[in-house]
Amino acid sequence: QSVLTQPPSVSGAPGQRVTISCTGSSSNIGAGYDVHWYQQLPGTAPKLLIYGNSNRPSGVPDRFSGSKSGTSASLAITGLQAEDEADYYCQSYDSSLSGSGVFGTGTKVTVL
Amino acid sequence: EVQLVESGGGLVQPGGSLRLSCAASGFTFSDHYMDWVRQAPGKGLEWVGRTRNKANSYTTEYAASVKGRFTISRDDSKNSLYLQMNSLKTEDTAVYYCARGYSGYDSPPPLDYWGQGTLVTVSS
Repeated sequence: QSVLTQPPSVSGAPGQRVTISCTGSSSNIGAGYDVHWYQQLPGTAPKLLIYGNSNRPSGVPDRFSGSKSGTSASLAITGLQAEDEADYYCQSYDSSLSGSGVFGTGTKVTVL
Repeated sequence: EVQLVESGGGLVQPGGSLRLSCAASGFTFSDHYMDWVRQAPGKGLEWVGRTRNKANSYTTEYAASVKGRFTISRDDSKNSLYLQMNSLKTEDTAVYYCARGYSGYDSPPPLDYWGQGTLVTVSS
């Protein structure tokens, strides 16, 4: 089981706002390490959505935003669209683990 | 256009070995960290390991689950990344992705380009 915990699923109607939490501890997010977010559409490779807690790569709609506070981070999707239905993963560094690229448990977003 | 293309996946028996390759194009491969990430069928993403670039002495890191069994290497002259997997276990069955680390970040670098993945099945 990952050291970064996400809710298994969230859902919302088109146009609504949903948030996904990524809960860590003092050895990862709480230690000040950056959090990145990825979107994985069904049957495809993951795509970088947010990096460095709150930065969007070129081409990512501003409907997606990230934040970090204490030992947690959040991804918000505003104006939810059908095409946003996907799995979302956070990623950070954990100083207590071998290696440095731990992913969160993943969250399935369903558009109702 | 940045492209990452994995190859080498297939069916292997428990205890066996397999070598995955990742061919990179469309960017200066030698400048970037490169990661391997895997995804077991129906499961989430699992970070496997990383090789840093020449400027950072090509250092490698591994997840605890594969340390001592898997080895990451790269050949900058061929724009290629490799994953040598030994002593394979059934729990290593997964799609393996190579991914490029975004320049200027460490701990961990965001992975801004991914390959399409190659399936490794460990079964008798």
